[in-house]
Amino acid sequence: DAGVTQSPTHLIKTRGQHVTLRCSPISGHKSVSWYQQVLGQGPQFIFQYYEKEERGRGNFPDRFSARQFPNYSSELNVNALLLGDSALYLCASSLKWTSGNGEQFFGPGTRLTVL
Amino acid sequence: QKEVEQNSGPLSVPEGAIASLNCTYSDRGSQSFFWYRQYSGKSPELIMSIYSNGDKEDGRFTAQLNKASQYVSLLIRDSQPSDSATYLCAVLSSNYQLIWGAGTKLIIKP
Repeated sequence: DAGVTQSPTHLIKTRGQHVTLRCSPISGHKSVSWYQQVLGQGPQFIFQYYEKEERGRGNFPDRFSARQFPNYSSELNVNALLLGDSALYLCASSLKWTSGNGEQFFGPGTRLTVL
Repeated sequence: QKEVEQNSGPLSVPEGAIASLNCTYSDRGSQSFFWYRQYSGKSPELIMSIYSNGDKEDGRFTAQLNKASQYVSLLIRDSQPSDSATYLCAVLSSNYQLIWGAGTKLIIKP
């Protein structure tokens, strides 16, 4: 069975540009969460979607947006990139967004470098 | 501000010994607690979950929970070099979001 997939694996952008990251959850999982992880820190929560509705939003600026499609895949968009947006972006899927949300399955991540 | 705190380490343990990793959390409403392992350059993977006070054992791993003290720990028995990784403590908050610690880097020395 396929796990969580993310694309692209690596991305290099310049300041001010826009980026779109993509994620496909495990088959049967309807919840997708996005995280930002910088070296030496734990994942920082950005968004969670369940059944195409936003269920949670972390403390990130409005430059970050996301959506979930009918097939439960998801996109994370970041506008007006800053150097500080350089990080590993992780997508995780889970069966539920409530009590089952603690058991999350992560994709390999997208390494974003902003120059 | 809901927080999860861990000692960043590194924690160095001889091969074959017991590694003890600790985590404290601030949200008294939390009911579910998780340990994830993250190898360098890889994404986190779930290794243990615990929901009730006491101990939960799975192979060489034991998770311990004390809700009164707001404390979660992970014990790894017979530590192997392959256990060298960063261990992330995560707590499911009362609004169903996972709150993560910064992780403890564990080094098992042969």
